[in-house]
Amino acid sequence: ETGVTQTPRHLVMGMTNKKSLKCEQHLGHNAMYWYKQSAKKPLELMFVYSLEERVENNSVPSRFSPECPNSSHLFLHLHTLQPEDSALYLCASSQERASSDTQYFGPGTRLTVL
Amino acid sequence: GQSLEQPSEVTAVEGAIVQINCTYQTSGFYGLSWYQQHDGGAPTFLSYNALDGLEETGRFSSFLSRSDSYGYLLLQELQMKDSASYFCAVGTAAGNKLTFGGGTRVLVKP
Repeated sequence: ETGVTQTPRHLVMGMTNKKSLKCEQHLGHNAMYWYKQSAKKPLELMFVYSLEERVENNSVPSRFSPECPNSSHLFLHLHTLQPEDSALYLCASSQERASSDTQYFGPGTRLTVL
Repeated sequence: GQSLEQPSEVTAVEGAIVQINCTYQTSGFYGLSWYQQHDGGAPTFLSYNALDGLEETGRFSSFLSRSDSYGYLLLQELQMKDSASYFCAVGTAAGNKLTFGGGTRVLVKP
């Protein structure tokens, strides 16, 4: 247990569905992240939030929409996804946004887009 | 941009020593981190090097040479539970934006 939880753990959705991934951190951290992990590819940073403000958007398609209502919660809203979006989506948090700060990862949501 | 290279797979026996090399190209380098990820699990932090030299944490050690843009993770006295993927990641001065390598899958055999 890293103090970062994600729900659901598994999700299967059609290309026309709308779903949301949820992340919650119980560590009192100020920064939260979304990563995408595809088979045989490096972890890809998608979004960074610091103190509930989005500070990084790594050219992610608009069918992925993040939301950070407070410093403990992070959502990733999904709509009209493509099969190539099937991957493990990982949430992480860190104390601050310094490069020396350890990132704590949640267990991920395994997403399959049919 | 940033890029990192590390071997894709390493196999070793219990009790052996494994060194996973990581070379990187980046601007504004701040530090090199290592993470471990077991199959089906979350990446977990192992070590961080901002300065040249060796950092030791139990059976695992990490080394950095900033002038060579190179680092390595050393796994000693390998145990079966060390079978996992190991990722190096570079952080830049622009904030905690980590760029990860492709990962090295370590398989420990009896």
